[in-house]
Amino acid sequence: KQEVTQIPAALSVPEGENLVLNCSFTDSAIYNLQWFRQDPGKGLTSLLLIQSSQREQTSGRLNASLDKSSGRSTLYIAASQPGDSATYLCAVPISGGYQKVTFGTGTKLQVIP
Amino acid sequence: GAGVSQSPRYKVAKRGQDVALRCDPISGHVSLFWYQQALGQGPEFLTYFQNEAQLDKSGLPSDRFFAERPEGSVSTLKIQRTQQEDSAVYLCASSLEGSYSPLHFGNGTRLTVT
Repeated sequence: KQEVTQIPAALSVPEGENLVLNCSFTDSAIYNLQWFRQDPGKGLTSLLLIQSSQREQTSGRLNASLDKSSGRSTLYIAASQPGDSATYLCAVPISGGYQKVTFGTGTKLQVIP
Repeated sequence: GAGVSQSPRYKVAKRGQDVALRCDPISGHVSLFWYQQALGQGPEFLTYFQNEAQLDKSGLPSDRFFAERPEGSVSTLKIQRTQQEDSAVYLCASSLEGSYSPLHFGNGTRLTVT
């Protein structure tokens, strides 16, 4: 059974800091991994999708890496801003052929102005 | 619209009532998923459609939960005889076919059973 863990559960940083969020998974036979952000009372916004053949993906100030062999992914946020405050979730597939995924419990990020 | 649309945004039901939650996926998205999110937790898979075919309903918690997508676009999640433990946010997601496309989520329906 695929289990996904995210550390830390909560993080508070001053504006401008670079930070790293961690995601680990138990079954390394995945074909992709997706990072989302969730704002309070809202749905999930897709940030980055990394295919198993890739080692990293970048979008603006965000960079996500994937190390299948060690069962880990990191989300790096550069020059954090108060608007980055949200809960960040990673998700990995638990079935082949379609995006049935299991989520971690998330990291709640607060960026202090 | 450009994104996944869900309605209603909020639903309060008395225990024992039936509810119906609607999802309009992104146009052209073959795959549609329903997830349930309890407070402070990550979403949990409920069911999956490929076009109108429900290919996976392994996450539905009981036979009181029923989902359909009769024409391969709009989907409805129905919960019969609601119980307090059904209180959660119900999220709908869609994607292009296959395992290489990102999931796009709606804003969810927050169901409160009193």
